[in-house]
Amino acid sequence: GENVEQHPSTLSVQEGDSAVIKCTYSDSASNYFPWYKQELGKRPQLIIDIRSNVGEKKDQRIAVTLNKTAKHFSLHITETQPEDSAVYFCAASLTPGKLIFGQGTTLQVKP
Amino acid sequence: GAVVSQHPSRVICKSGTSVKIECRSLDFQATTMFWYRQFPKQSLMLMATSNEGSKATYEQGVEKDKFLINHASLTLSTLTVTSAHPEDSSFYICSAAQGKKMNTEAFFGQGTRLTVV
Repeated sequence: GENVEQHPSTLSVQEGDSAVIKCTYSDSASNYFPWYKQELGKRPQLIIDIRSNVGEKKDQRIAVTLNKTAKHFSLHITETQPEDSAVYFCAASLTPGKLIFGQGTTLQVKP
Repeated sequence: GAVVSQHPSRVICKSGTSVKIECRSLDFQATTMFWYRQFPKQSLMLMATSNEGSKATYEQGVEKDKFLINHASLTLSTLTVTSAHPEDSSFYICSAAQGKKMNTEAFFGQGTRLTVV
């Protein structure tokens, strides 16, 4: 089955700097790659997603890139702010709604 | 976006008892729903796929007799944790996709914090 690896597990950046989180997946048939932000005790919140027919997608300070050949995708957050501090999860899907998650990255943005 | 509602949000039960968690799609029909478990400071782990009108499909290592899933209607799936023990204490969360298109977004319930004492 699908396996998703996510790195780093923790990331600390200074406010205003950029943050990059990387994920790799194992099943080349996966075709949907969402990124979630989760606050303690809350449901995951979709922040951006990318489909397999697209190489890059951007939404204001957040961007995601996908390399299908290498089977990896990355989340880029620019101009980080303290409120960006949270746990971020990547996921991969090849069946509608069925997600395999990475291990998560705890992002700390220092003021 | 679509709305998925989960109930209860928190439950405390005694060891050996059973607990039922409900997951409802409020504004769309979901023939398939998904149940995840999340231990503290860990990722969401897929437990099972809930299929309307048929048996659930469980992921490897998940005990189907302990985690009973029923999906009797197009808007409701339930997860029953039977004979709960302290090690079952966790955050359980459901999700559903609107439609059957590939590459479709999943919508999550609020999650249920289960504590077994």
